[in-house]
Amino acid sequence: DAGITQSPRHKVTETGTPVTLRCHQTENHRYMYWYRQDPGHGLRLIHYSYGVKDTDKGEVSDGYSVSRSKTEDFLLTLESATSSQTSVYFCAISPGQTTYEQYFGPGTRLTVT
Amino acid sequence: AQSVAQPEDQVNVAEGNPLTVKCTYSVSGNPYLFWYVQYPNRGLQFLLKYITGDNLVKGSYGFEAEFNKSQTSFHLKKPSALVSDSALYFCAVRPPGDSSASKIIFGSGTRLSIRP
Repeated sequence: DAGITQSPRHKVTETGTPVTLRCHQTENHRYMYWYRQDPGHGLRLIHYSYGVKDTDKGEVSDGYSVSRSKTEDFLLTLESATSSQTSVYFCAISPGQTTYEQYFGPGTRLTVT
Repeated sequence: AQSVAQPEDQVNVAEGNPLTVKCTYSVSGNPYLFWYVQYPNRGLQFLLKYITGDNLVKGSYGFEAEFNKSQTSFHLKKPSALVSDSALYFCAVRPPGDSSASKIIFGSGTRLSIRP
């Protein structure tokens, strides 16, 4: 999976608790992304980063925050998890410039009860 | 609004037959187009892309895709299907002129099932 790891791979948590998902890359790519995958919706962009400390919102950013303090790590935080955030979360990376395709991590399955 | 449509939730094909997975897009200008494949419990894998040039692009695992500007389509094809091609396929588009971070819009996915 293109030098990308995600942790944890599975997590069950209760409504109202904070949750942090981690994405780590060894490719030194500039751009990193967080998506969620839900049946019938494909992948929807939550947040993305275009450099250390440079992040921006995607189409479904409400209830999520991100941080990128190092090139290799991109964290996704659910401040107070809700059942609607039960999903599979994917991190992706891209070198950008003239290479526009993204490369995906193995995913994190999050269940909020 | 910019979007990608995959009109078929599921496509069923017999092994050895040709397959087509359809994709249409709605963006202004000349987009960059992609196909990805997802196997069970895995992340998406990049298959192929169209940026410019020849309308027929070849990718991994014997797949190819044809860009048709007049029909705003980018259908995925393979001449002879294998059972191992069974997976979830996503079409995606990067709108032109988007200078920020190569954001990609994904379709909802098509499940391809190849029967022996």
